[in-house]
Amino acid sequence: EPEVTQTPSHQVTQMGQEVILRCVPISNHLYFYWYRQILGQKVEFLVSFYNNEISEKSEIFDDQFSVERPDGSNFTLKIRSTKLEDSAMYFCASRTETYGYTFGSGTRLTVV
Amino acid sequence: GEDVEQSLFLSVREGDSSVINCTYTDSSSTYLYWYKQEPGAGLQLLTYIFSNMDMKQDQRLTVLLNKKDKHLSLRIADTQTGDSAIYFCAESRSGYSTLTFGKGTMLLVSP
Repeated sequence: EPEVTQTPSHQVTQMGQEVILRCVPISNHLYFYWYRQILGQKVEFLVSFYNNEISEKSEIFDDQFSVERPDGSNFTLKIRSTKLEDSAMYFCASRTETYGYTFGSGTRLTVV
Repeated sequence: GEDVEQSLFLSVREGDSSVINCTYTDSSSTYLYWYKQEPGAGLQLLTYIFSNMDMKQDQRLTVLLNKKDKHLSLRIADTQTGDSAIYFCAESRSGYSTLTFGKGTMLLVSP
């Protein structure tokens, strides 16, 4: 069964450093998403991406965040200058035209 | 804004039925979902229900929707130890709009 692949599974970074989280969505999917879950909190929507541009973003997704689909297969989330409160599990998801997200297994980001 | 609430923890014995409850606030919710997260794994879609339905059954899973009370439940019959996981309730206004999740219910199944 097709999967959404996320790498790395765990990333530790120092506060203020840039971090890039990588995702390979399912190949025929057109819509891409990032969600995150801070420990003990709800899974929150960050951003959606379609046709090479952001289609929707939440208030969490400020200027420190950016997304890119650099090569037609990868979908990346960049955090420019990480803060302690960015520590969370970050989930990538993709879907086709119809409903039904497929989520990746997540990247646990720890900012120290 | 939209909100989804769930109880945080449920413990059952193997073979019993489990019922996980969820309430939501958005009256425009059209799709209601149950996701399962096993340790170290992603969010796996278990089942979903459209808001114009009040029940959906899929093997051991039964979803009940009370649209008037904005209450959703997931019943797992004959719960197995492999069902131990975190179960997330989520809603969206359409099949392609963003999902609003609850905090998740940790289900612990003991032998």
